Amino acid sequence: QVQLQESGPGLVKPSETLSLTCTVSDGSVSDDTYYWSWIRQPPGKGLEWVAYIYYTGSTNYNPSLKSRVTISVDTSKNQFSLKLSSVTAADTAVYYCARSGSHYYYDSSGHERLTYNWFDPWGQGTLVTVSS
Amino acid sequence: DIVMTQSPDSLAVSLGERATINCKSSQSVLYSSNNKNYLAWFQQKPGQPPKLLIYWASTRESGVPDRFSGSGSGTDFTLTISSLQAEDVAVYYCQQYYSTPLTFGQGTNLEIK
Repeated sequence: QVQLQESGPGLVKPSETLSLTCTVSDGSVSDDTYYWSWIRQPPGKGLEWVAYIYYTGSTNYNPSLKSRVTISVDTSKNQFSLKLSSVTAADTAVYYCARSGSHYYYDSSGHERLTYNWFDPWGQGTLVTVSS
Repeated sequence: DIVMTQSPDSLAVSLGERATINCKSSQSVLYSSNNKNYLAWFQQKPGQPPKLLIYWASTRESGVPDRFSGSGSGTDFTLTISSLQAEDVAVYYCQQYYSTPLTFGQGTNLEIK
């Protein structure tokens, strides 16, 4: 049963860069079946998808954060990471890492494409507070 | 972006009664080439990560009690708990995986009446 565990500083100063790592156990970030995501949840609020990465390094970012976010994968450590720059108090949230499976479909041109599934499983989450 | 809107925001149901949560997407999440609705439901209890309940709008995840069911197609979806149990108190979210940015509903807080 794959397990995901987030790690990183719990407190980041405004204007600095938030850095988090997700360590994958009993599974491989190099598995071509899966996509790896970061999702965040401000205290008492809803869920916001941040970004995903595929083992090839292919990435996709939420446009609302794209200018500040970088997601990367380290296959040698079986980890993937998130960097969010120029943070403000609005970036205070529980940050979750999650895995998505994948499936093939045929696009409008009849070409077979790979795409992502739902999020499962999730890590336990880590609270990052932005404060001076 | 596909906007997901849940209703109601909060719901109180008596034990043993039916609970119904609705989710509406701003555009269809039904993909015609495979006839699948790209819609999932999650349950989140305090201090825990979301737990997958339903995917493809109506497929129950392994281990999820059969009192949970999902229905709907296109833009309108429903999560039904047929007989509410105390352990079902949680916030429920729908989520579309039809296109990026991947988006969630705002959540529905389910309580015991």
